[in-house]
Amino acid sequence: RKEVEQDPGPFNVPEGATVAFNCTYSNSASQSFFWYRQDCRKEPKLLMSVYSSGNEDGRFTAQLNRASQYISLLIRDSKLSDSATYLCVVNLMDSNYQLIWGAGTKLIIKP
Amino acid sequence: EPEVTQTPSHQVTQMGQEVILRCVPISNHLYFYWYRQILGQKVEFLVSFYNNEISEKSEIFDDQFSVERPDGSNFTLKIRSTKLEDSAMYFCASRTSNEQFFGPGTRLTVL
Repeated sequence: RKEVEQDPGPFNVPEGATVAFNCTYSNSASQSFFWYRQDCRKEPKLLMSVYSSGNEDGRFTAQLNRASQYISLLIRDSKLSDSATYLCVVNLMDSNYQLIWGAGTKLIIKP
Repeated sequence: EPEVTQTPSHQVTQMGQEVILRCVPISNHLYFYWYRQILGQKVEFLVSFYNNEISEKSEIFDDQFSVERPDGSNFTLKIRSTKLEDSAMYFCASRTSNEQFFGPGTRLTVL
């Protein structure tokens, strides 16, 4: 079973729409959760950390459900520049911040 | 803004040759990491390094791999005898708190 699982997409979404990504993780000892963004052939960049209480950063909202081992990312009012691959990442407890990566969900925003 | 740098940006080598990938982490960071990403696949953890020693390594990080911090600034990944399947993007990362900062990566092509 994959440790971090995401729908690979691509999600083709018109500009201005709202889009949601989901991610499930298998290891209940996962301690920290993140969404990274990766542009084609570039390094991953942290988009936001995900907290149990849920958190929002501008147009982006992240939610964590520990009971279901499920993480989500919501993007409102999507922009052309949001086109990228979104990576769900977890960090295990008692680990030296080794990050376990999902394969990513590709998002394409169309004008 | 401080950033992680990596050299070279692209390395082409013959199978069986040794390569050294170089990274300069952010100067006040204490934890260092190497990840790799085979084209079209997910990011995979290779190794973490703290206090001048390896703290964790993955199954990928076999005897062909080694890491070193030869001075106060560089962090290197050596692959002793490259194989075709070592072709990938190699990302270095460093952290001081919760967030890992990634370098732009070195694209390794093994012919």
